Amino acid sequence: DAKTTQPTSMDCAEGRAANLPCNHSTISGNEYVYWYRQIHSQGPQYIIHGLKNNETNEMASLIITEDRKSSTLILPHATLRDTAVYYCIVRTPDNAGNNRKLIWGLGTSLAVNP
Amino acid sequence: GAVVSQHPSRVICKSGTSVKIECRSLDFQATTMFWYRQFPKKSLMLMATSNEGSKATYEQGVEKDKFLINHASLTLSTLTVTSAHPEDSSFYICSATDGGTGTDTQYFGPGTRLTVL
Repeated sequence: DAKTTQPTSMDCAEGRAANLPCNHSTISGNEYVYWYRQIHSQGPQYIIHGLKNNETNEMASLIITEDRKSSTLILPHATLRDTAVYYCIVRTPDNAGNNRKLIWGLGTSLAVNP
Repeated sequence: GAVVSQHPSRVICKSGTSVKIECRSLDFQATTMFWYRQFPKKSLMLMATSNEGSKATYEQGVEKDKFLINHASLTLSTLTVTSAHPEDSSFYICSATDGGTGTDTQYFGPGTRLTVL
C-alpha cells in the first residue's frame, strides 16, 4: 500500500505558484520523499527528492516539515505544460531489504488553467 | 543526462503471440532496472526488479513465465510478454537507476502501449 496521502485534484492559474501537499505520517527515519509527475500517456518524470532538509532545483522546491510527517512540492510559476499527475512517494525497502522500491499511489491531478 | 528509451512506443498484436519490449539507458549504466505496468486511470504497478546479469525479482502475483525479463547488459533490459491475451493490454513502463551517482533515483522511459486483439 502507498504510504502517502495526496488530494485527488487541484487547480492552479498559469503563472501562479502551485503548492501540492502530501501527508506521510508513518515515514521512518531513513526514508526519502520523492516527487514524480506523469503527463498523460508518458512515462513518469523525476522532479525532486529529500530526506529532511528543504530542497530546490530547476523544476521545483520541496518543503518538508520538521517532524517529516508532511511535505509540499512547490512549482513557483506554473505553466500549461505542468498539467500532470503528481506523485509523492516514500521509498520503501524491496524484497531484498534494499531501500529502492517505489510504491505509487494515485497522486494529485494538477490542472493549470490559462 | 539520465535518459531512458523504450522501443517500441506502441504495438498491436494478435492474441497468442509474444511481444518484446526494449528498455535502454542512453547515457548511463543502469545497475538496476524496473518494469511497471499501468492500466487506464490507475497508478503504476511494479512488476519486477532486475539487476544486470542476474534473474529478475518478480512482485507477488506477476507470472515470471509469462513476463520474461532479461537484463543482459548495463544499458539494456527486455520484457517479453509471452502468449499475449487481451487482458495483457496495458501501458508498460521501465525505469533505471544510475549506479554511478550513488543515488537510487529512478529515471523512466516513455512507455510502451500494448494492445492485444
